[in-house]
Amino acid sequence: GAVVSQHPSRVICKSGTSVKIECRSLDFQATTMFWYRQFPKKSLMLMATSNEGSKATYEQGVEKDKFLINHASLTLSTLTVTSAHPEDSSFYICSARDSGGRLTKNIQYFGAGTRLSVL
Amino acid sequence: ELKVEQNPLFLSMQEGKNYTIYCNYSTTSDRLYWYRQDPGKSLESLFVLLSNGAVKQEGRLMASLDTKARLSTLHITAAVHDLSATYFCAVEPWGGGADGLTFGKGTHLIIQP
Repeated sequence: GAVVSQHPSRVICKSGTSVKIECRSLDFQATTMFWYRQFPKKSLMLMATSNEGSKATYEQGVEKDKFLINHASLTLSTLTVTSAHPEDSSFYICSARDSGGRLTKNIQYFGAGTRLSVL
Repeated sequence: ELKVEQNPLFLSMQEGKNYTIYCNYSTTSDRLYWYRQDPGKSLESLFVLLSNGAVKQEGRLMASLDTKARLSTLHITAAVHDLSATYFCAVEPWGGGADGLTFGKGTHLIIQP
């Protein structure tokens, strides 16, 4: 099956620093990737849609200046949490939509997630 | 706005029993996903249901989709302890290609010996 690599899997940082999370589709092209956030014992909430070569689309209530998204190629999207604070601590998961393939087109595949802890 | 309701949210059952998790959604869709999540882990894809009447089975789990009723079910047959996890359904809006998934709140399943 299709593989989405997310890195790092865990990060601990000091308040005020910025953290970059990478999401790569390893064996397929993804013009669209998505970033989700999950608080402990809660469901996943869509944060933003990342489109290759264009600006990301953010969901209501998500600060675009806080969560910078770059999708510079068909296989890589990055999420940068800028000036992180303890309330940004969460589990961040990306997904990538397979742009091609007769059987797999448009199916989303999820990365392993990044657990961010801001001290 | 697409809403996804999953029930029950918590389920404790004994090994060997059967049970069903329900997933209702509010707007037209023909693409529904079921995921499993273990504590501290990411999502494990269980099923992708792509059309009305779709039924898929893997081991003791079977999922179905009724797009007219806007309902999907995940049926567990003869549950075993290893199936203890949180199960999420997620729905993609009709004509998706640009939209992310809307998740249900999840069903926390505990299977006791």
